[in-house]
Amino acid sequence: EIVLTQSPGTLSLSPGERATLSCRASQSISSSYLAWYQQKPGQTPRLLIYGASSRATGIPDRFSGSGSGTDFTLTISRLEPEDFAVYYCQQYGISPELTFGGGTKVEIK
Amino acid sequence: QVTLKESGPALVKPTETLTLTCTVSGFSLSSTGMGVSWIRQPPGGALEWLTHIFSNDEKSYSTSLKSKFTISKDTSKSQVVLTMTNMDPVDTATYYCARIYCSGASCSLDYWGQGTLVTVSS
Repeated sequence: EIVLTQSPGTLSLSPGERATLSCRASQSISSSYLAWYQQKPGQTPRLLIYGASSRATGIPDRFSGSGSGTDFTLTISRLEPEDFAVYYCQQYGISPELTFGGGTKVEIK
Repeated sequence: QVTLKESGPALVKPTETLTLTCTVSGFSLSSTGMGVSWIRQPPGGALEWLTHIFSNDEKSYSTSLKSKFTISKDTSKSQVVLTMTNMDPVDTATYYCARIYCSGASCSLDYWGQGTLVTVSS
């Protein structure tokens, strides 16, 4: 079964800084089936990125996704106050199952 | 406007069977490439995918929890039903349903319900 490992577990940054979040898969996956979600406290997860690099509807362009094979990255170019949240990567298709990573919390430094 | 809404009991006892319903609107459960997933999140924990069902009635279950869940759909009612047997306190979580949309070269969970908190306790 495929495992997605996200790092770091917590990222402490200031507004305006750049955030780089990593998602590593235990085996190679199709970038088509890699997605990223944002979840704020007490809220439902929201789709940010699908197909590893395509922004979902209404997602600001400060969010970008990249990667292939086993290594994927979510980058937030300049953190806004509303970006402090937990981010999850997710893959579809291996097994055939759907798997989430353990999440990265982006907190205010 | 696509919406999903979970419904079911907030409290169940250990060993009981839990049935949750996801009622969808704004899309059809018979539309090609679309389906509904169930995901849960324990308090303070991470997201865990449980199962999904597609428009062609294709189903998939989490390997580790496969024997615990059954998913079905009633297209005419726009509902997807999740049944979980032998509930345990470790199953206490917020349960979400979400639309899974596969278009050409990608699949993702693009719309989510608000979630329903289920507590397992005697």
